[in-house]
Amino acid sequence: AQSVTQLGSHVSVSEGALVLLRCNYSSSVPPYLFWYVQYPNQGLQLLLKYTSAATLVKGINGFEAEFKKSETSFHLTKPSAHMSDAAEYFCAVSVIQGAQKLVFGQGTRLTINP
Amino acid sequence: ETGVTQTPRHLVMGMTNKKSLKCEQHLGHNAMYWYKQSAKKPLELMFVYNFKEQTENNSVPSRFSPECPNSSHLFLHLHTLQPEDSALYLCASSQDKGGETQYFGPGTRLLVL
Repeated sequence: AQSVTQLGSHVSVSEGALVLLRCNYSSSVPPYLFWYVQYPNQGLQLLLKYTSAATLVKGINGFEAEFKKSETSFHLTKPSAHMSDAAEYFCAVSVIQGAQKLVFGQGTRLTINP
Repeated sequence: ETGVTQTPRHLVMGMTNKKSLKCEQHLGHNAMYWYKQSAKKPLELMFVYNFKEQTENNSVPSRFSPECPNSSHLFLHLHTLQPEDSALYLCASSQDKGGETQYFGPGTRLLVL
């Protein structure tokens, strides 16, 4: 069965520092992988997704993620954090069982220190 | 309106009340989803509808009753809820194909007293 593990429920970085949010997946078939962001009192917004094209995926707001099959990882990075990046981030894997479903990780809350 | 909309945005109800949550998508998608997001648990998929047919019920208690009259509208009917049902309820839609993005509404914040 597909699953996702996000390492670290809270990550805190300084403004301008590198952001690294970790995601490992488990899948018996080539996966589709997603990163979503959730700002306070809002729904989830897609940051980027991997669908077996390029292994380095660029998303919105300067974020990118690299698919590494050997490590079963899909970590999210941003070279320089901005205060507006403070939010909760969710990694998800797509499961096809009848209809498409997303299996989400537990989420990582990102705090940006001035 | 564009995207996925949900009403109401906030709802307070007693345990004996009956209420309904509404979701509407303007994206031409054929699959719609209800998720529950509570403070101490990851996002939980509740129901999946594909072309108006329910294809997934993730062991959800019967006090939650979904309805999908067409591919653009999804309802969640609530009755005799418990305080532990207080959560953010999110609706999403997508094309029903592998790798397709699910688009989420802003959610309904539900408080059960």
